[in-house]
Amino acid sequence: QVQLVESGGGVVQPGRSLRLSCAGSGFSFDSYAMHWVRQAPGKGLEWVADIGYNGGNVYYADSVQGRFIISRDNSKNTLYLQVNSLRLEDTAVYYCARDDRPFQTGTNFDSWGQGALVTVSS
Amino acid sequence: QSALTQPASVSGSPGQSITISCTGTSSDVGGYNYVSWYQDHPGKAPKVIIYDVNKRPSGVSNRFSGSKSGNTASLTISGLQAEDEADYYCCSFTSSKTYVFGTGTRVTVL
Repeated sequence: QVQLVESGGGVVQPGRSLRLSCAGSGFSFDSYAMHWVRQAPGKGLEWVADIGYNGGNVYYADSVQGRFIISRDNSKNTLYLQVNSLRLEDTAVYYCARDDRPFQTGTNFDSWGQGALVTVSS
Repeated sequence: QSALTQPASVSGSPGQSITISCTGTSSDVGGYNYVSWYQDHPGKAPKVIIYDVNKRPSGVSNRFSGSKSGNTASLTISGLQAEDEADYYCCSFTSSKTYVFGTGTRVTVL
């Protein structure tokens, strides 16, 4: 079955950087666009970024544009999110999620990981 | 990219039907039939329960249904059950080729 496992979360000071990873298994990772979605403590879901199945066509939410970088290594079945210039408001659980259909722009997120907690604190 | 507007909370008794609204703009909800709904139980990963406005993924109860009119999408839960108590989020594709979630609705089963 589809499995997504995030790693790389932790406590980091404001202004510092962190790289999150998401390992995919149980499906053809290189056939699907992938997304990052985050949820601040006690708050709602926020879409962060996505990347096409072949690494092209990346898009970002305005709130992270210019600070976060999404990438993927299909040879390792792994999705990444480089988070730079971290702010207190970036504290959240970061989920990776799979697009619902292969080789095209999907319309929803049909599989999710369990999330990685990033805490930005001085 | 303002969040789509949902009521903060909706409640109902077991067996009743409830409806959650999700209001956006012509650049998101009104412009595309790409509205999805997610059920979020505490401590668990969100789960898609409706996609493309009114389609149900395999395995999702037919008590969940979706619709859209103009810039507002809706999720209806019929025959409300205790296990339906959760947070629900709508999500839409946008004209910027990004996605936007709703503010979220807490469903309480009385």
